[in-house]
Amino acid sequence: NAGVTQTPKFRVLKTGQSMTLLCAQDMNHEYMYWYRQDPGMGLRLIHYSVGEGTTAKGEVPDGYNVSRLKKQNFLLGLESAAPSQTSVYFCASSPMGQNTGELFFGEGSRLTVL
Amino acid sequence: GDSVTQMEGPVTLSEEAFLTINCTYTATGYPSLFWYVQYPGEGLQLLLKATKADDKGSNKGFEATYRKETTSFHLEKGSVQVSDSAVYFCALRNYGGSQGNLIFGKGTKLSVKP
Repeated sequence: NAGVTQTPKFRVLKTGQSMTLLCAQDMNHEYMYWYRQDPGMGLRLIHYSVGEGTTAKGEVPDGYNVSRLKKQNFLLGLESAAPSQTSVYFCASSPMGQNTGELFFGEGSRLTVL
Repeated sequence: GDSVTQMEGPVTLSEEAFLTINCTYTATGYPSLFWYVQYPGEGLQLLLKATKADDKGSNKGFEATYRKETTSFHLEKGSVQVSDSAVYFCALRNYGGSQGNLIFGKGTKLSVKP
C-alpha cells in the first residue's frame, strides 16, 4: 500500500538549473498539494490541485510551476533554481468532499541549491 | 486571514512527564482543528482532530479539546514516552475561508529523554 510517493528523495542543484519533483498517489484522491518546510517556518503551501487538469496558487508560488495531467500525479517544477529554494518539499493528497481535513503526506524530498 | 500560533520549542521532557503544547488560532466561521505529528525523517501524519466546538480529539494517549471561547486547541498527554519524540504541528481547515486549505503552525519539537 504505497500511499503518496515522492521522487527523488534527495537532489542537489546549481543555481539556474531546472528540475521536476514527482508526486504519485494510489488512493484515487482528487486533491493534491505541494508544501515546503523550512526551519522555524512550518509548512507553507506552494500550489495545489482540486482535480485532474486544474492547479491553483498557494501561499508561496513564486519560482515554481505545477501540472496535474493525470489524477494520480502532481508535478512540481523549478525552472531556474535559486538558493532560497533550498528546502524539504512535501506532497500531500486528500479525497474530495471530505470535511475531516486529513491530508496524506509523502516522505519528503530534500532539495539543496548551491 | 486565518492563522495558527503554537508554542515555540524545543520542548525537552523526561519519560513519564506530562506534556502540554499550546495552540491558538484565528479564523472566521467554524474551522476544523488538527494536530499532525512528524517523526524524524518522515512525512506528517494526522494525530487527532476536532471538527466542532467542545469536541475532544484523542489518539495514542494524546488529547486536545476544541475551545471556541478561547480559540485554542492545546495538545496534552499524561505520560510521554521516548517514542513520542517528534515535531508536532497544529493546523486548521476553514471551508469558509483560505479556500479550505490546511493552515499549519510553525511546529513544536518535542524531545523525550529516558
